[in-house]
Amino acid sequence: GENVEQHPSTLSVQEGDSAVIKCTYSDSASNYFPWYKQELGKRPQLIIDIRSNVGEKKDQRIAVTLNKTAKHFSLHITETQPEDSAVYFCAASKANAGNMLTFGGGTRLMVKP
Amino acid sequence: NAGVTQTPKFQVLKTGQSMTLQCAQDMNHNSMYWYRQDPGMGLRLIYYSASEGTTDKGEVPNGYNVSRLNKREFSLRLESAAPSQTSVYFCASIQRGGGYEQYFGPGTRLTVT
Repeated sequence: GENVEQHPSTLSVQEGDSAVIKCTYSDSASNYFPWYKQELGKRPQLIIDIRSNVGEKKDQRIAVTLNKTAKHFSLHITETQPEDSAVYFCAASKANAGNMLTFGGGTRLMVKP
Repeated sequence: NAGVTQTPKFQVLKTGQSMTLQCAQDMNHNSMYWYRQDPGMGLRLIYYSASEGTTDKGEVPNGYNVSRLNKREFSLRLESAAPSQTSVYFCASIQRGGGYEQYFGPGTRLTVT
């Protein structure tokens, strides 16, 4: 089955700096890669996603890049703010019956004011 | 729309007791999922239902059963709870397969003593 690894497990940055979180996946058939943000005690919420026919996607301060050959994808947050502090999860899935998501282990991002 | 709802929010069980976690969605989604999230870890898929009338095992199905009661409702049953099942349980739904956003419920925090 699919295996998703995520690094780093914790990341501390100064407000205004950029943050980068990286994930690798094992199944070359995976074609959908979402990123979720989870605040303490809350449900995961989708912040950005990318499909395998696209190399990069941006949404304001957030961007995701995908390298299908190397089987890795990354989340980039620019101009970080204290409210970006949360746990971020990457995931991977493929378009077949079920559309199951396999999650990475998560990255705890701390943005220091 | 309420989105995805789960009951109960919190539950404490003794080892060996049984209970059913309820999940409902009002978005007319076809596929529904049950995940568990252990402290400091990512989400792991327990069971899923690609469409009404079908259910399949995920990554960690042992000790659980599910029922897709109708298109709206997908329940998770613990027949004989064990301390290893202490976790936060999230239900999610998606409109169709092939890379669309999974919407998560608020979660059920279960403690087994």
